[in-house]
Amino acid sequence: DTEVTQTPKHLVMGMTNKKSLKCEQHMGHRAMYWYKQKAKKPPELMFVYSYEKLSINESVPSRFSPECPNSSLLNLHLHALQPEDSALYLCASSPGLAPRGTDTQYFGPGTRLTVL
Amino acid sequence: DAKTTQPTSMDCAEGRAANLPCNHSTISGNEYVYWYRQIHSQGPQYIIHGLKNNETNEMASLIITEDRKSSTLILPHATLRDTAVYYCIVRVNQAGTALIFGKGTTLSVSS
Repeated sequence: DTEVTQTPKHLVMGMTNKKSLKCEQHMGHRAMYWYKQKAKKPPELMFVYSYEKLSINESVPSRFSPECPNSSLLNLHLHALQPEDSALYLCASSPGLAPRGTDTQYFGPGTRLTVL
Repeated sequence: DAKTTQPTSMDCAEGRAANLPCNHSTISGNEYVYWYRQIHSQGPQYIIHGLKNNETNEMASLIITEDRKSSTLILPHATLRDTAVYYCIVRVNQAGTALIFGKGTTLSVSS
């Protein structure tokens, strides 16, 4: 089983709203990722959590706040977003066991976010 | 920046083999070649990866040249469901490192 689930599938929010995206995996993976994908562009990394600690933040604005409550769950809290933040937000996970094994990332279906 | 070069688009007839090339001339000795695909508006799907040797799984085959500067993903019998953007990515085998996506190849399979 290589399933990563994301909720909600679609989200529409105003610029003053606070919302959260949720990502879950039950594969025992210890690394989890948030990527952002604008229309007709490839995915771009936002954050990496390794063993529940934030290890990479790709200079993402503070209106995006990641959280990793446990090894199976990853949240992305959203506050005061701008219309240009509208995108597909993708979560991924990987075993986190390299170099003994290759660290293949598996993606969820994404959350389509629209900011009005 | 992505370390790979792929054709922008390719066409393939249903039932025929689809051969997708990728150039990665600056690949390092500890970097793997990964292939993902993304069907419209879905999350990227892992296909296959390799280091030096050719690899095959239930989805595809990966042929890596001896000098490792290029590779080819082969879908042996393409179907309409294989229409997608295919990404070739080189990446070190280190936990928690990013996938750097390039523009990929849009493969269109037609009947």
